[in-house]
Amino acid sequence: GAGVSQSPSNKVTEKGKDVELRCDPISGHTALYWYRQRLGQGLEFLIYFQGNSAPDKSGLPSDRFSAERTGESVSTLTIQRTQQEDSAVYLCASSPLGTGNNEQFFGPGTRLTVL
Amino acid sequence: GENVEQHPSTLSVQEGDSAVIKCTYSDSASNYFPWYKQELGKGPQLIIDIRSNVGEKKDQRIAVTLNKTAKHFSLHITETQPEDSAVYFCAASLTNFGNEKLTFGTGTRLTIIP
Repeated sequence: GAGVSQSPSNKVTEKGKDVELRCDPISGHTALYWYRQRLGQGLEFLIYFQGNSAPDKSGLPSDRFSAERTGESVSTLTIQRTQQEDSAVYLCASSPLGTGNNEQFFGPGTRLTVL
Repeated sequence: GENVEQHPSTLSVQEGDSAVIKCTYSDSASNYFPWYKQELGKGPQLIIDIRSNVGEKKDQRIAVTLNKTAKHFSLHITETQPEDSAVYFCAASLTNFGNEKLTFGTGTRLTIIP
């Protein structure tokens, strides 16, 4: 079946512009996570959705970052007034919830470059 | 919060030899330890995981061991093949049928030399 998809795959923007990154999770997966991966680094947790609520936003680095999720489907990560340090790959993962199956299925990521 | 350290950062082994990657974690409450493989331009893919009530788990050429007392876990790949070349990440989380956010190590770039 279809996996997690993300769009765009690449985004180049100018410093100060806003960007929106999209994630389409696997159908039926209640849990959705956003992570950031800087070049040569591990993944950093940003935010967790359970359904369309976000009980854990502790990883968002600043108030320029926000995310929302529609129902138990698409999620959008928005970065306002982008800075060069926001350049990274943004990864989305989804997981079934309440089944004891912890596996998180990752999308291919969006590579964001802020000039 | 949880902190995961991973070593080595790069590893080169001859095809057919074994590779071992080691991780340590800080939060004794963590109870789920997955390993992910990431190929160039792709998202990480789960290759094996272990829970804290188990000491070792095997899946064909891949095995993971966990030492809860020492708070470390390791990935073992035997009979390595060229397609094993990738970046490998360990991670840890506390699972409670709710938020199961992963804390990742910094990755190991594994290169298999033909």
